[in-house]
Amino acid sequence: ETGVTQSPTHLIKTRGQQVTLRCSSQSGHNTVSWYQQALGQGPQFIFQYYREEENGRGNFPPRFSGLQFPNYSSELNVNALELDDSALYLCASSPPPGHYGYTFGSGTRLTVV
Amino acid sequence: GENVEQHPSTLSVQEGDSAVIKCTYSDSASNYFPWYKQELGKGPQLIIDIRSNVGEKKDQRIAVTLNKTAKHFSLHITETQPEDSAVYFCAASFFTGTSYGKLTFGQGTILTVHP
Repeated sequence: ETGVTQSPTHLIKTRGQQVTLRCSSQSGHNTVSWYQQALGQGPQFIFQYYREEENGRGNFPPRFSGLQFPNYSSELNVNALELDDSALYLCASSPPPGHYGYTFGSGTRLTVV
Repeated sequence: GENVEQHPSTLSVQEGDSAVIKCTYSDSASNYFPWYKQELGKGPQLIIDIRSNVGEKKDQRIAVTLNKTAKHFSLHITETQPEDSAVYFCAASFFTGTSYGKLTFGQGTILTVHP
């Protein structure tokens, strides 16, 4: 198993800018999810991709968008950044049906100034 | 939608004591309940999980119990060690048969184990 890798680890952006965060899924895992974790809180579900299609979305505005590629890697894009978007963004991958267990990456710490 | 409540928010124990963290969930359709440990600067790490067809699961010093009727599940850590100090999160999810539903997390418990 290679684990879930996220890049970059830290990022500082200015309000109004756009950002792209990247995630490489664990080998064999075909579902990827993104979570936002504000300081001192539990992770909040943003959206999930399965076989390159979005198949679930949390309570986040459309300026949060994503992609999943054929190799199951994924991107999270956030447009028109706001100060409240400052958080740890976590990617999680899960194996094919019949198996359980989400594996999280170490996250990208985004600071919006 | 699903709502997960976690208690306590902070827990301080002496090394060697036991620690118990409790969660309740609202959606009776949830059927998968993992527990995660998150250390500073890292992502959540799965430490144990339980499915709704099982009432209890144990892995060395860690155990999880599930009461589907009451919609409660708990994490039990015995013989605590200083390296158990971290933030612990419970979560609930629903497996549809073809894909996994989102994880709904509790608010977290900061566990401190004093030497």
